[in-house]
Amino acid sequence: ELKVEQNPLFLSMQEGKNYTIYCNYSTTSDRLYWYRQDPGKSLESLFVLLSNGAVKQEGRLMASLDTKARLSTLHITAAVHDLSATYFCAVETRSTDKLIFGTGTRLQVFP
Amino acid sequence: DTGVSQDPRHKITKRGQNVTFRCDPISEHNRLYWYRQTLGQGPEFLTYFQNEAQLEKSRLLSDRFSAERPKGSFSTLEIQRTEQGDSAMYLCASNQGRINEQFFGPGTRLTVL
Repeated sequence: ELKVEQNPLFLSMQEGKNYTIYCNYSTTSDRLYWYRQDPGKSLESLFVLLSNGAVKQEGRLMASLDTKARLSTLHITAAVHDLSATYFCAVETRSTDKLIFGTGTRLQVFP
Repeated sequence: DTGVSQDPRHKITKRGQNVTFRCDPISEHNRLYWYRQTLGQGPEFLTYFQNEAQLEKSRLLSDRFSAERPKGSFSTLEIQRTEQGDSAMYLCASNQGRINEQFFGPGTRLTVL
């Protein structure tokens, strides 16, 4: 059974600092997604990573995928308060059409 | 707005009552998915449709839950004899075919008292 793990579960960081969220998954993946969720809201798609070595950047966020290590990272550069939210990775496998989500990382950025 | 829509956005019900949620996917998307998200957790897959056919159901979908997509367009998710453990955000998503990004609706938040 496919399992997706994220760490850390909770991240409190100061504005201007850098940090990385990790997403490990247990079986071969076709696609890996990163989503942002604000409290009480639905999921906002951030990145779709399709192949080994894929790297995508949007603003202060950069995501990468290493399919051999079954690892994706979401790197935050010079954090700002507006980035405070919960971030999920999700994996879609070849054997199923559903998304398997990680546990989420709750990010809190303070001045 | 051409995104995925869900109705209602919030539902408060008493234990034992039946509730029904509706999801309208992006037009021309032939696949529709339901997920459930409890507080502090990631979304969990419940079921999905390709056109009107229900192709997979999670073991989370007990016999109190039923989902339909009668004409291959909108879908409904009914929960019978609700329990407090059913309190969650119910998310709907749609896409066009396999291995294409799923687009999520705003969700329906269910509170069972």
